[in-house]
Amino acid sequence: GAGVSQSPRYKVAKRGQDVALRCDPISGHVSLFWYQQALGQGPEFLTYFQNEAQLDKSGLPSDRFFAERPEGSVSTLKIQRTQQEDSAVYLCASSPDRVPFQAFFGQGTRLTVV
Amino acid sequence: GDSVTQMEGPVTLSEEAFLTINCTYTATGYPSLFWYVQYPGEGLQLLLKATKADDKGSNKGFEATYRKETTSFHLEKGSVQVSDSAVYFCALNTNAGKSTFGDGTTLTVKP
Repeated sequence: GAGVSQSPRYKVAKRGQDVALRCDPISGHVSLFWYQQALGQGPEFLTYFQNEAQLDKSGLPSDRFFAERPEGSVSTLKIQRTQQEDSAVYLCASSPDRVPFQAFFGQGTRLTVV
Repeated sequence: GDSVTQMEGPVTLSEEAFLTINCTYTATGYPSLFWYVQYPGEGLQLLLKATKADDKGSNKGFEATYRKETTSFHLEKGSVQVSDSAVYFCALNTNAGKSTFGDGTTLTVKP
């Protein structure tokens, strides 16, 4: 497709379940970002990949959060033992640049932990 | 650390009214500045950007000027339309790559 694709669009998880969120960036884009957006707030940075290398994971809120991009294309954000405070929209963005200044965003995955 | 503060909403205007959404920032170094827009049910889209002081970004009738002296990047439009109803996010980006966003301002334009 032409844009960044995220799946699923909506996910309801019971507290304690593990979830995996997928991001398909724009083909050929080098840089990939994950953001977390709580209701009524702006996106908060989670982690950043350049190709398959995870260059910055300073925004991951706990060791329950893990992201990977093994072949430098598709990325997965995994959350283990979900908790209610993990409920948010998870946004993926990609950029064609190695030093990215502009990112193209997907529509996000809305995660609700019940 | 880097931060962005934008005007709290919601903002409600009549069609053809003048729009200003204030945005100020704190950053180390010389960031690039952005306005993103999120229409109902859609993802974030880049509206405009400016990469250095005194640059003016513009798109779809919206404008914003990078003011280093006041660390501001206010969004303006001379005559809003109903179709401009959306959430607007101000953001900055340093050489580190990641962006820092404001909390968003919801704009509703009434006919």
